[in-house]
Amino acid sequence: AQTVTQSQPEMSVQEAETVTLSCTYDTSESDYYLFWYKQPPSRQMILVIRQEAYKQQNATENRFSVNFQKAAKSFSLKISDSQLGDAAMYFCAFHNNAGNMLTFGGGTRLMVKP
Amino acid sequence: DADVTQTPRNRITKTGKRIMLECSQTKGHDRMYWYRQDPGLGLRLIYYSFDVKDINKGEISDGYSVSRQAQAKFSLSLESAIPNQTALYFCATSGGGQGFYNEQFFGPGTRLTVL
Repeated sequence: AQTVTQSQPEMSVQEAETVTLSCTYDTSESDYYLFWYKQPPSRQMILVIRQEAYKQQNATENRFSVNFQKAAKSFSLKISDSQLGDAAMYFCAFHNNAGNMLTFGGGTRLMVKP
Repeated sequence: DADVTQTPRNRITKTGKRIMLECSQTKGHDRMYWYRQDPGLGLRLIYYSFDVKDINKGEISDGYSVSRQAQAKFSLSLESAIPNQTALYFCATSGGGQGFYNEQFFGPGTRLTVL
């Protein structure tokens, strides 16, 4: 079974600064997918960014980028130019290639200071 | 209009009561899921269904049952609610297959409190 660990329960960042959220996972599979989801106070789960394990290039979506280290089983999220609207819970998630389930980390609460 | 809807959005019930949470989707997806969210534990899978005739247990199915009434409808039941089932419940859907078809789309969540 896969496990996903987010070691930072809470993080804070100054508006316009950069912050990195950590995620590590454990799996014996070689082909899988990784996701970061954002959950604002509205409770809605919003997909931020995704990465296929077979791709060496790190995914980027506007101000959001990942640092995917497959050998180290690490998948961190970098948020550049942080905005007040980035304040939320962030969840890292692992998806196996069979496509039957997502395994989530415990989440990191990000606070953005004006 | 929301693609994945859940009813009710909030519910308070008492220990021992039967309760049903409902999920509907207009995305045309075959796969539907029920997750439970608890503080510090992220989301955990309760049940999932790949089509109307396919129901599978997830990581934490004890105390729950599901029904897939149609491709677009997937309900979660607590036969006899207990306080440790107090949580935020999410329904999700996906199109299945490989690659980005694995992406799951979530409903707005149901906050359930069992007194």
